[in-house]
Amino acid sequence: TQLLEQSPQFLSIQEGENLTVYCNSSSVFSSLQWYRQEPGEGPVLLVTVVTGGEVKKLKRLTFQFGDARKDSSLHITAAQPGDTGLYLCAGEGGSEKLVFGKGTKLTVNP
Amino acid sequence: DTGVSQDPRHKITKRGQNVTFRCDPISEHNRLYWYRQTLGQGPEFLTYFQNEAQLEKSRLLSDRFSAERPKGSFSTLEIQRTEQGDSAMYLCASSWVWDRRSSYEQYFGPGTRLTVT
Repeated sequence: TQLLEQSPQFLSIQEGENLTVYCNSSSVFSSLQWYRQEPGEGPVLLVTVVTGGEVKKLKRLTFQFGDARKDSSLHITAAQPGDTGLYLCAGEGGSEKLVFGKGTKLTVNP
Repeated sequence: DTGVSQDPRHKITKRGQNVTFRCDPISEHNRLYWYRQTLGQGPEFLTYFQNEAQLEKSRLLSDRFSAERPKGSFSTLEIQRTEQGDSAMYLCASSWVWDRRSSYEQYFGPGTRLTVT
């Protein structure tokens, strides 16, 4: 069974701080996706990483896929209150469906 | 295109009743997925369709659950004889997959929140 573990589970920071969220597994994934979810809404796709070692940037968000394609990180620079939400990583391991982590609940205080 | 839509957004039902949810995927997408999400958890896979064919069902999908995609467009998820443990957010997602090498980017709807009393 493929599992994805996210850490930390909860993170509360002040506006302007930097943060990193981690997504780890013992399994290899052919692609990994990051989503952000707000209360009462569905997850919104942020990025997909496919190649080991790949780094993608989306404004203040930087996503990295591990060389072995077993882990990923999301780094946010100068966090803003609008970044508040549940960040989910999801891996596609060749089984035609996504396996999700439990998420990191981020709160950015003004 | 307005993205994936789901109806209803909220459903409150009494234990033992049947409920049906609808999902309209992004129009050009050939794959449609159903997930269930409970509080504090990430979404868990239930089933998926390629066009009108249901290709995989999770063990989470008991005999009380049935899903259809009759014309390869919208899909319905029915739960019969609901139980309190069925209370959750039911999410629908769609994607376009053209070969084995394509990445499985899935786009989610807003979900249907089911509460069984």
